[in-house]
Amino acid sequence: EVQLVQSGGGLIQPGGSLKLSCTVSGFNVGTNYMSWVRQAPGKGLKWVALIYSDGTTKSADSVKGRFIISRDSSKNTLFLQINNVRADDTAVYYCARGGPLRGFDPWGQGTLVTVSS
Amino acid sequence: DIQMTQSPSSLSASVGDRVTITCQASQDIGNYLNWYEQKSGKAPNLLISDASNLEEGVPSRYSGSGSGTDFTLTISSLQPEDIATYYCQEYESLSFSFGQGTKLEI
Repeated sequence: EVQLVQSGGGLIQPGGSLKLSCTVSGFNVGTNYMSWVRQAPGKGLKWVALIYSDGTTKSADSVKGRFIISRDSSKNTLFLQINNVRADDTAVYYCARGGPLRGFDPWGQGTLVTVSS
Repeated sequence: DIQMTQSPSSLSASVGDRVTITCQASQDIGNYLNWYEQKSGKAPNLLISDASNLEEGVPSRYSGSGSGTDFTLTISSLQPEDIATYYCQEYESLSFSFGQGTKLEI
């Protein structure tokens, strides 16, 4: 069964750091495009970051230099390191397979990151 | 970045109605367009890829059309379980821009 199970969200102070995890079963994170997409409360979806099968990464301008996408193929897990957070980073963060050449499918269940002092 | 504009932003319809949602891209994206359904409190679900390719398991009442800059998602006969917000998303660029969403109510 294909499944993406997320963990690592929570309350964090402005300027702080947090690492989100997405453990995958049913396919290999190392041979697929994998992305993070976020959704601020009551708002729409915004793509955040992508990791290619060759390990190359790309991120949205709004998070460039602050967020780092990575993976551990041995654990079949995708990560998003969130650094120097701001209030407008408050959102539900979703992991998903996809990016170039295909849609985002399937998705993790989402994890809420709240930035507040 | 490519801007994706959906209309309407919200829509109220009755069971059995034919429903149409449009999505316009700010530049030519070919057929690099996906449609998602997001039910309240849940992750999005991919319905249609490549503008018109129905994903496995998606009911046949859903269809997509269009190319270039103008796209349409149609539900041929609205069902109660179709209550959701619908998003279009381009993948012609490496910004993977989403539309702002269309909230469908019954």
